[in-house]
Amino acid sequence: QSVLTQPPSVSGAPGQRVSISCTGSSSNIGAGHDVHWYQQLPGMAPKLLIYGHRNRPSGVPDRFSASTSGTSASLAITGLRAEDEADYYCQSYDSGLSGSRVFGGGTRLTVL
Amino acid sequence: QVQLQESGPGPVKPSQTLSLTCTVSGDSINSGSYYWSWLRQPAGKGLEWIGRIHPSGSAYYNPSLMSRLTMSIDTSNNQFSLRLRSVTAADTAVYYCARDSAWRAFDNWGQGTLVTVPS
Repeated sequence: QSVLTQPPSVSGAPGQRVSISCTGSSSNIGAGHDVHWYQQLPGMAPKLLIYGHRNRPSGVPDRFSASTSGTSASLAITGLRAEDEADYYCQSYDSGLSGSRVFGGGTRLTVL
Repeated sequence: QVQLQESGPGPVKPSQTLSLTCTVSGDSINSGSYYWSWLRQPAGKGLEWIGRIHPSGSAYYNPSLMSRLTMSIDTSNNQFSLRLRSVTAADTAVYYCARDSAWRAFDNWGQGTLVTVPS
């Protein structure tokens, strides 16, 4: 059971927009702690996609964006491409768990 | 660009100790205010943070693993290590080392190493 809750799967056609939700609680996202997003391509290590709620590391296209509101966060992908098919994870910090970094269970994005 | 590489002995028997080392290249493990973390991912499942350590030696562990876990750091060799005692089949996973940034995000990852504990 993950501390942050994500839908197991989402899907969309090429060119479309999809969003992935991440729901936490008052000790993590709701406490204002930063939310980060990772992309994990099949057989690869996770890659940082968004940090600090909405910042993109160098090289990450602006088709990827994120937002946070209350105890939830959301990752949006516009102009969906076949290479976006991957698992996506949200991550935050939980002040109620001895300084733990906590993850969502992951969402599999399928490009139809 | 900093690079991380996990290394370990491969299969570990139940009740034994799992030991892994992460070698950092491209930057000093002592530079900046980074922590260095271990994470794991059982096959087909999500990511779990194991713990993090600072070059000063201060460490923070996942409460669920704290009783079996020790992390250490060797700044002279640019390495940090993990020891997980009394392993069971539930500890079978791909283990990753990663740099834990000031944002509390993992901005650089190793490629991962599979550790198998037979049941």
